[in-house]
Amino acid sequence: DIQLTQSPSFLSAFVGDRVTITCRASQAINNYLAWYQQKPGKVPKLLIYAASTLQSGVPSRFSGSGSGTEFTLTISSLQPEDFATYYCQQLNSYTYIFGQGTKLEIK
Amino acid sequence: QITLKESGPTLVKPTQTLTLTCTFSGFALSTDGVGVGWIRQPPGKALEWLALIYWNDDKRYSPSLRSRLTITKDSSKNQVVLTMTNMDPVDTATFYCVRRQTVLSSFDMFDYWGQGILVTVSS
Repeated sequence: DIQLTQSPSFLSAFVGDRVTITCRASQAINNYLAWYQQKPGKVPKLLIYAASTLQSGVPSRFSGSGSGTEFTLTISSLQPEDFATYYCQQLNSYTYIFGQGTKLEIK
Repeated sequence: QITLKESGPTLVKPTQTLTLTCTFSGFALSTDGVGVGWIRQPPGKALEWLALIYWNDDKRYSPSLRSRLTITKDSSKNQVVLTMTNMDPVDTATFYCVRRQTVLSSFDMFDYWGQGILVTVSS
């Protein structure tokens, strides 16, 4: 079974910072990867699919890249509303495994 | 407007079977490429995909929970039902219903989520 490992698990940053979250797959998944944002007590929200395609309505400060086994989510300039937990998800071969999450907090 | 809503018991006893219903609107599960699935999230923990049913009635399950899960659909009622057997306190979680969409026949995403239902397993 494919496993996803996110790093770091916890990240503290300032408003305005550029941050990058990494997601590594245990085997190649082409670019069948999505990213979600979940704020406390809220429903997860799709940010990016196909590794780098921004979902409609998502601010352009979010970007995704990668293919194969290594992927990144980058937020170019953190805004107060971006502090949340981020999950990657692989969607290869009809399985939909999530990473363990990265909690992004205000420094 | 696309909506999904989970319904079912919020408290089950250990060893019981959990049955959850997802009632959706704004799309048809008979449409090529569409699927509806279930994800759970224990309090303070990560998301875990459970099962998904496709427009063509194909079904996929989490390998680690396959033996306990059954997913079915009633397209005429716009409902998807998940059953999970032999519930245990560690299964306490918020259960989400999601729509699976595909782009260019290749790239999947879970683009719409229900509000979730917290199910507690306790005697």
